[in-house]
Amino acid sequence: SQELEQSPQSLIVQEGKNLTINCTSSKTLYGLYWYKQKYGEGLIFLMMLQKGGEEKSHEKITAKLDEKKQQSSLHITASQPSHAGIYLCGAGPSGTYKYIFGTGTRLKVLA
Amino acid sequence: DGGITQSPKYLFRKEGQNVTLSCEQNLNHDAMYWYRQDPGQGLRLIYYSQIVNDFQKGDIAEGYSVSREKKESFPLTVTSAQKNPTAFYLCASCLESTVKPQHFGDGTRLSIL
Repeated sequence: SQELEQSPQSLIVQEGKNLTINCTSSKTLYGLYWYKQKYGEGLIFLMMLQKGGEEKSHEKITAKLDEKKQQSSLHITASQPSHAGIYLCGAGPSGTYKYIFGTGTRLKVLA
Repeated sequence: DGGITQSPKYLFRKEGQNVTLSCEQNLNHDAMYWYRQDPGQGLRLIYYSQIVNDFQKGDIAEGYSVSREKKESFPLTVTSAQKNPTAFYLCASCLESTVKPQHFGDGTRLSIL
């Protein structure tokens, strides 16, 4: 079965620094999603990637999907305390409407 | 605004008690899901439903039950058979399509008394 591995598991950065979170799949991705979660809250959809080499940006967050469609990266430029939270990658649906998720990357931004 | 509403936000269960978590959506989405989230772990699928009056077990369905009598509603019952119910529960929905993101509710945190 397909699995998503995220790295790093946690990240602490100084405000203003850039950072990258990676998501690697054991199989070809046909839909890759990035979500952000604050503690005790639901997941907020950030971006969806479908095509190999695709890149999307939203404010200071950029997500890319590699040409082979097995790895995605999320890059935050000039991080701010508001970027803190848990970032999860998700993929699917595979088979009958099932989605899978990575274990998440916990980001802390020091002011 | 359209969205997914989960209630209650916090829930406490006594030994031997069944509890029901509510999930309502007004997005006109066909598919609905229930996930369990534990610290340090990703989301694990409990049940999902593609259409009204039909649902399928996910990876960790034991000790849980669901119903889908209306398109907008997908309640989850945590039964007394679920021996370790303490977790954060998330409901999600999406359109019937090949590649579409899921939309999530704000979650319900269930604890044991």
